[in-house]
Amino acid sequence: GAGVSQSPSNKVTEKGKDVELRCDPISGHTALYWYRQSLGQGLEFLIYFQGNSAPDKSGLPSDRFSAERTGGSVSTLTIQRTQQEDSAVYLCASSLDPAKETQYFGPGTRLLVL
Amino acid sequence: KNEVEQSPQNLTAQEGEFITINCSYSVGISALHWLQQHPGGGIVSLFMLSSGKKKHGRLIATINIQEKHSSLHITASHPRDSAVYICAVRSRGAAGNKLTFGGGTRVLVKP
Repeated sequence: GAGVSQSPSNKVTEKGKDVELRCDPISGHTALYWYRQSLGQGLEFLIYFQGNSAPDKSGLPSDRFSAERTGGSVSTLTIQRTQQEDSAVYLCASSLDPAKETQYFGPGTRLLVL
Repeated sequence: KNEVEQSPQNLTAQEGEFITINCSYSVGISALHWLQQHPGGGIVSLFMLSSGKKKHGRLIATINIQEKHSSLHITASHPRDSAVYICAVRSRGAAGNKLTFGGGTRVLVKP
């Protein structure tokens, strides 16, 4: 079946502009995660959605970052007033039951802020 | 000190050699993941384990909960094993089951 998909695969934007990144998780997966991988840095957690529960936003680096998940499926990560330090690969992952199952990662969106 | 430490950071091996990557963590965990990331590619989950040992093909992952340590072994390494291997832990009782990642080990297997 289809894996986790993300769009766009690449995004170049100018400093100060807003960007929206999209994630389509595997059908039926109730858990959805956003991670960021900056150049030369490791992966870092951003936000987590589980079913209808309130999302865990503890990893968002600033209030310029927000995410929503509509209908328990597709998720969008929005970065407002982008800064150059936001340049990174943004990865989405989903899981059927994170306590028991592994996470399946999407291909990522490579964001470059000029 | 990072919660998850991997060693070595870089590793070069000749095809056929046995490879070991180590991961140490400082928090109580409910599970540990080993991930593989090929250059320019996405991330693939290799193992999720909470105790003992798991094997998949030429890959073996072990974990010692008491010592807070895990190893990933690659037997009979092949150039296609060249990738970054990442250890990640899910802290016990962590809200949201989020993962904390190690810095990765870059493996190069030469033919």
